[in-house]
Amino acid sequence: DTGVSQDPRHKITKRGQNVTFRCDPISEHNRLYWYRQTLGQGPEFLTYFQNEAQLEKSRLLSDRFSAERPKGSFSTLEIQRTEQGDSAMYLCASSWLEPLVDEQFFGPGTRLTVL
Amino acid sequence: GQQVMQIPQYQHVQEGEDFTTYCNSSTTLSNIQWYKQRPGGHPVFLIQLVKSGEVKKQKRLTFQFGEAKKNSSLHITATQTTDVGTYFCADADKLIFGTGTRLQVFP
Repeated sequence: DTGVSQDPRHKITKRGQNVTFRCDPISEHNRLYWYRQTLGQGPEFLTYFQNEAQLEKSRLLSDRFSAERPKGSFSTLEIQRTEQGDSAMYLCASSWLEPLVDEQFFGPGTRLTVL
Repeated sequence: GQQVMQIPQYQHVQEGEDFTTYCNSSTTLSNIQWYKQRPGGHPVFLIQLVKSGEVKKQKRLTFQFGEAKKNSSLHITATQTTDVGTYFCADADKLIFGTGTRLQVFP
């Protein structure tokens, strides 16, 4: 499979619980992005990595959110003490940084529901 | 902060009619990307525009980047039911997506 994969596809949790999502990018891609998307809205940037370095983090991202990309391969996004407002689709994307076009390939997403 | 707005928010057309969505940024863009997201799917990259006034075509789709590099448009000629979805523009540098235009095509 040459696409971006995400696991799990769906997650239902109770408010206050911690959740962790995984993203496996396209193998040769050096950039990895996390977005959050709610119904009827465009993807909202959360953070991105170039190789294993986290280069940028959205100011909208609270301290409850943390992301890692050990060894520059897969990435995890953890949300601690989930709130109902965290309910959304969490999208991962990857790209190969080129000088001209930075096409992002998106995964299928993880849909989080916080009860 | 920067805002990237798209109009219209929704568009319903009869199959065969043309469709246009407009993207406007509050700040100058170094480049702009367009994505399509089918219902229940994830965004799929369509194109990137870099130069002021640039026009690119992909079959029935025509993309344009404004002269001031603050706006862009996507025009679809003779829509088909396969064009259904939400079209997003995005500031590729700042990773900001537009509000999207949802297209519905009636056969």
